[in-house]
Amino acid sequence: AQTVTQSQPEMSVQEAETVTLSCTYDTSENNYYLFWYKQPPSRQMILVIRQEAYKQQNATENRFSVNFQKAAKSFSLKISDSQLGDTAMYFCALSGGSNYKLTFGKGTLLTVNP
Amino acid sequence: NAGVTQTPKFQVLKTGQSMTLQCAQDMNHEYMSWYRQDPGMGLRLIHYSVGAGITDQGEVPNGYNVSRSTTEDFPLRLLSAAPSQTSVYFCASSYQGVWTYSSGELFFGEGSRLTVL
Repeated sequence: AQTVTQSQPEMSVQEAETVTLSCTYDTSENNYYLFWYKQPPSRQMILVIRQEAYKQQNATENRFSVNFQKAAKSFSLKISDSQLGDTAMYFCALSGGSNYKLTFGKGTLLTVNP
Repeated sequence: NAGVTQTPKFQVLKTGQSMTLQCAQDMNHEYMSWYRQDPGMGLRLIHYSVGAGITDQGEVPNGYNVSRSTTEDFPLRLLSAAPSQTSVYFCASSYQGVWTYSSGELFFGEGSRLTVL
């Protein structure tokens, strides 16, 4: 069974600063994908970034980057130059192998303060 | 660019009533799924389908029924609503290629907030 753990239920950061959200996971698959989804107050689920497990290079998308530590099964999200619009719930998720299911963590509520 | 469309967006039911949450996608995705989101619980998989005529249970299937008669549609039925089914429901789909490995990235609908009194 796959599991995803987000140990920080809530976090806050000042505008323009950097924040890191933590995620650990467990899977028996050798090939899998990891995702960070953002859910703003509008409730829409938005893909932030994706990492393929067989790629050693950490994925980046503009101000968003990940620190993927495969051996430690860790997948943290770094948000640089935080903006008020980054205020949202962030979910870490895992998919892998022939398992079609995406497993989600419980989420981290990030608040960006002016 | 409709993507994944869910209806209704809001619904209030009385205990024991039945209803169907509709979900349709226009991306020709083989895989469709229903999740429920509850505070502090993240998203939990209810049912999923890997193609027309094929459905399977997820983590929390009790009290819900699904069918997949077409690639586009994947309705979720509550046969006898209970207060424990008060939640936000998300339909999501993804491409699962037969000949190419897929990432499993999910495309979500906007969610349906259901309240059972």
